[in-house]
Amino acid sequence: QQQVRQSPQSLTVWEGETAILNCSYEDSTFDYFPWYHQFPGESPALLIAIRPVSNKKEDGRFTIFFNKREKKFSLHIADSQPGDSATYFCAASRGSNAKLTFGKGTKLSVKS
Amino acid sequence: DMKVTQMPRYLIKRMGENVLLECGQDMSHETMYWYRQDPGLGLQLIYISYDVDSNSEGDIPKGYRVSRKKREHFSLILDSAKTNQTSVYFCASSSGGLSAETLYFGSGTRLTVL
Repeated sequence: QQQVRQSPQSLTVWEGETAILNCSYEDSTFDYFPWYHQFPGESPALLIAIRPVSNKKEDGRFTIFFNKREKKFSLHIADSQPGDSATYFCAASRGSNAKLTFGKGTKLSVKS
Repeated sequence: DMKVTQMPRYLIKRMGENVLLECGQDMSHETMYWYRQDPGLGLQLIYISYDVDSNSEGDIPKGYRVSRKKREHFSLILDSAKTNQTSVYFCASSSGGLSAETLYFGSGTRLTVL
């Protein structure tokens, strides 16, 4: 059973556009929702994360929108740049066991 | 400088051989992880370790075992490797204890089982 679902599998946007990456989850006890990015040939690295005490988290051009009722969260990348081209993974965990479950990833390509 | 080190970077083994993947971290993190990454499947958790000799299965533990005898060192063992264990293996560590705070990943080991 896939606990964290991610869509789309791949996404292409033009430079300057906003890229929107989506995730949904099933386990209502999840309380921590990070996004990781991975550039080709490199290891994943934390980009931004949110806890459900708020429904929005911003860090520069990156924003997480969180909808607890629908069990969905999304990553918005404003003013996308070619350097943002990477694979983005959403993930979820509950505070009791530190097991971080990842989605299957969205491969983002930003064209100039 | 915070670092997770994985050895080796590339490894080729024959089916049925034993495989040892090693991971070290210099941050005194309590929690360490082993994930495998396959195209289209994302990162799948194999094992998590909360501290020395305190290990727990992840989502895909079958065919793997782990060892953690020192806080800074976490090993993944494949007894009698199978071809479907060909993958990229990532080790990670976290300071969050029971909360999955920032995971710091190693550079990965690309394992090929022939």
